[in-house]
Amino acid sequence: ETGVTQTPRHLVMGMTNKKSLKCEQHLGHNAMYWYKQSAKKPLELMFVYSLEERVENNSVPSRFSPECPNSSHLFLHLHTLQPEDSALYLCASSLGEGRYEQYFGPGTRLTVT
Amino acid sequence: GENVEQHPSTLSVQEGDSAVIKCTYSDSASNYFPWYKQELGKRPQLIIDIRSNVGEKKDQRIAVTLNKTAKHFSLHITETQPEDSAVYFCAASRGGSNYKLTFGKGTLLTVNP
Repeated sequence: ETGVTQTPRHLVMGMTNKKSLKCEQHLGHNAMYWYKQSAKKPLELMFVYSLEERVENNSVPSRFSPECPNSSHLFLHLHTLQPEDSALYLCASSLGEGRYEQYFGPGTRLTVT
Repeated sequence: GENVEQHPSTLSVQEGDSAVIKCTYSDSASNYFPWYKQELGKRPQLIIDIRSNVGEKKDQRIAVTLNKTAKHFSLHITETQPEDSAVYFCAASRGGSNYKLTFGKGTLLTVNP
């Protein structure tokens, strides 16, 4: 699969677990994003990284912790989540440098039990 | 911050008819307006976008119009086909060094054969 990939595609975790979501982009982009998509709500921007530096943090609870080791990889570390955190987590990337088009990965369907 | 309202939330049309989805935004500094299509179980895909220096953009059966004075923009799909059935999201951004896209809640379009 090319473009933006995400693993795992599905994840079920208990409230006391720790897990990580991974995103990788093969587009040579400089910016990467995490979004949360819940039913009947707009896509919610969680974090933005530009050239591995966090540039946006939308008041996300500390139980979500992002990591961007390089411009191609983005992680979302999860711990002590709540059932209301169950959602589709989408990663996206954009070129930056005046190019705003964002390209999305397939998402990770997260269920917190 | 920016607020994007999208209407209608659901739209059902007959194959061959036209479909129009409208969005309004609140931030007069927004200057980039993309539209995404998300089929069931798939990732959002950029289908068309417009910047504030133009009033209309067309790509085959899809067109977007922008009225900056009224702060609204619309997606027009002509000669609809069953494969156009999906959820459509509008978004707005200031662009530049601001990477944030604010999304509308989405419109479920159903094209009946």
